[in-house]
Amino acid sequence: QSALTQPPSASGSPGQSVTISCTGSSTDVGNYNYVSWYQQHPGKAPKLMIYEVNKRPSGVPDRFSGSKSGNTASLSVSGLQAEDEADYYCSSNAGSNRVFGGGTKLTVL
Amino acid sequence: EVQLLESGGGLVQPGGSLRLSCAASGFTFSSYAMTWVRQAPGKGLEWVSSISQSGGTTFYPDSMKGRFTISRDNSKNTLYLQMNSLRAEDTAVYYCAKLSASQCYDYWGQGTLVTVSS
Repeated sequence: QSALTQPPSASGSPGQSVTISCTGSSTDVGNYNYVSWYQQHPGKAPKLMIYEVNKRPSGVPDRFSGSKSGNTASLSVSGLQAEDEADYYCSSNAGSNRVFGGGTKLTVL
Repeated sequence: EVQLLESGGGLVQPGGSLRLSCAASGFTFSSYAMTWVRQAPGKGLEWVSSISQSGGTTFYPDSMKGRFTISRDNSKNTLYLQMNSLRAEDTAVYYCAKLSASQCYDYWGQGTLVTVSS
C-alpha cells in the first residue's frame, strides 16, 4: 500500500491559479472515482475540500475544483487567496484499504 | 452539528498499550463507517484503520495488523482504537473521522497526541 505521489510544494501569487497533482496506480486512483482532497492549516484538523474526484461539499468555494485522468488526480485552485495557504492531501480507495498522498504545501506568495 | 471528540492520548513507554476513544454526536453514529487516521510530527496523513457501521468488518493496512484493534460501541456513540506493543514511530496525532457514503472523510475530530518514549 504505497502512498500516492504529490509534489512537496506548490506556489502562486494572489489571484493566480495553481494545480496540485496526485499520482497513484491502477489499483487505487485509476480504479476508483473515490478520490478526495483535504486542506490542513497548521495545528488544525484536515478539512474535506473535494470528494468523488470533482464534487465540492457545501461551503467550499467554487475556486476549488478536482479532476482525474488515468492514474493521476488533480486539485486546482483559482483566484488564490491568502487563506488558501495550507497543506493539501489527496486520498483514494485502494480495494479494502485507503491511501493518502504525501501532502503538498501550498504557498501564496 | 457533527462533533467528534478524541481522548485517551498521552505519553507511553515503548512496548506499552493505550486505548483511544472518539465520542461522536450530531449524526446517527450507527449508520456510518468510521476511521482512524494519524499524523506523525511534521509528516503527512496515514490511514490507520476503518470499521463498518455494525462493527462486524474492520480494515487495517498491513503495517498495523496485529498491533492495533479498532472497535465501536453504537449504544455509546463511541469509536475506539486499542494500540499494543507501541513503538517510537507510532508517535503521532490520532484523528477519528466519519466516513461518508461517498467514501471520503467528511468530518474530523481535533485529534489526540500519542507520544511513545522512554
